[in-house]
Amino acid sequence: QLVLTQSPSASASLGASVKLTCTLSSGHSSYAIAWHQQQPEKGPRYLMKLNSDGSHNKGDGIPDRFSGSSSGAERYLTISSLQSEDEADYYCQTWDTGFRVFGGGTKLTVL
Amino acid sequence: EVQLVDSGGGLVQPGGSLRLSCAASGFSVSSNYISWVRQAPGKGLEWVSVISSGGSTYYADSVKGRFTISRDNSKNTLYLQMDTLRAEDTALYYCAREMIAAVGSFDYWGQGTLVTVSS
Repeated sequence: QLVLTQSPSASASLGASVKLTCTLSSGHSSYAIAWHQQQPEKGPRYLMKLNSDGSHNKGDGIPDRFSGSSSGAERYLTISSLQSEDEADYYCQTWDTGFRVFGGGTKLTVL
Repeated sequence: EVQLVDSGGGLVQPGGSLRLSCAASGFSVSSNYISWVRQAPGKGLEWVSVISSGGSTYYADSVKGRFTISRDNSKNTLYLQMDTLRAEDTALYYCAREMIAAVGSFDYWGQGTLVTVSS
């Protein structure tokens, strides 16, 4: 069964970097994912599509501070030079024929 | 510029029906896969349904047999017909476009429309 696992919460200081993790279930390590950001009281926003080889395609207007990488079944979102507006929920998402699935989301707090 | 505008939400009694709309601009709804995604209050995102560019439809088990996704190419609009609504269907509903080059990956989202199922 295709499942995505995320830590419920993360925190980092203003100006620092943070690396969020999304883990694909066993047998699905070749799957691409997408990362989405949801700021408080707003709808989701597409950040990037991230392939198993680490290559990624960012959405329009997404700053260079946001980058993605991969290792095995792990997919990472790294945010550098953290700003207050980066405080948000971050969801990974993947897909197969006939369905799509989200991770549970990581709530990022900027200290 | 790609835009998706969700509408049609409201308060409905358990067992009732509601039809949501997603008006698209900047692209043709017949060219892309488009999904409905929902978010219950205080919870995460849950995929609901998708319609392919060819018109095939798929549903999450939680809504199969109760919800119907469709589109009107002439109005460039996507719909979600929701029947036999339950309290657990209460959520903010978003439409989301999928990339042509990467079917399954959402690249644009609507602003959401709130559905409340309560007596």
